[in-house]
Amino acid sequence: GEDVEQSLFLSVREGDSSVINCTYTDSSSTYLYWYKQEPGAGLQLLTYIFSNMDMKQDQRLTVLLNKKDKHLSLRIADTQTGDSAIYFCAESVYGSGNTGKLIFGQGTTLQVKP
Amino acid sequence: KAGVTQTPRYLIKTRGQQVTLSCSPISGHRSVSWYQQTPGQGLQFLFEYFSETQRNKGNFPGRFSGRQFSNSRSEMNVSTLELGDSALYLCASSPDTSTDTQYFGPGTRLTVL
Repeated sequence: GEDVEQSLFLSVREGDSSVINCTYTDSSSTYLYWYKQEPGAGLQLLTYIFSNMDMKQDQRLTVLLNKKDKHLSLRIADTQTGDSAIYFCAESVYGSGNTGKLIFGQGTTLQVKP
Repeated sequence: KAGVTQTPRYLIKTRGQQVTLSCSPISGHRSVSWYQQTPGQGLQFLFEYFSETQRNKGNFPGRFSGRQFSNSRSEMNVSTLELGDSALYLCASSPDTSTDTQYFGPGTRLTVL
């Protein structure tokens, strides 16, 4: 089935690392995404990883993928107050009839305290 | 390149009315997907269009419809509005390559009174 789960809230201090976790159920996923949503705004694509990769790094962002456990994480190094937002994990599932469809988690609210 | 644009940004309607939302994708992108975002249900897929054809549809009633024009611009329509249709409606475009990466617009906030 199609399901993506995330914890709902994370609070960190400015300068610390943040780790946001996500689990997914569909074993045929091909790409997994992280999006950021600030209040009153749309979704900003942060990064994505192909399901045959284990890790991807992009400046302060590190994505880790554990395919066996169907677990995805997003690590933000040196977290800043501007990183406060809701972070969504999403998967795209390839197959007939699944084009253009992303399945999203519930979103994790990241609160960064100064 | 300009990003995905959506108009209008805000709408207030009353129950029973209908509404049309518009989305202009990133230049060169041919796939447009629509999502509904509510506090209770989160982000849910509505439908996807490519080359003026609906290729995929989510689990929404027939009151929700859409179309795509030859320039890839897309519209979605909701008829006989209900209070529960109040939501942020997000449009995303994709170049339709193997990554299927979607880029989102700012959304249209629909309030049904």
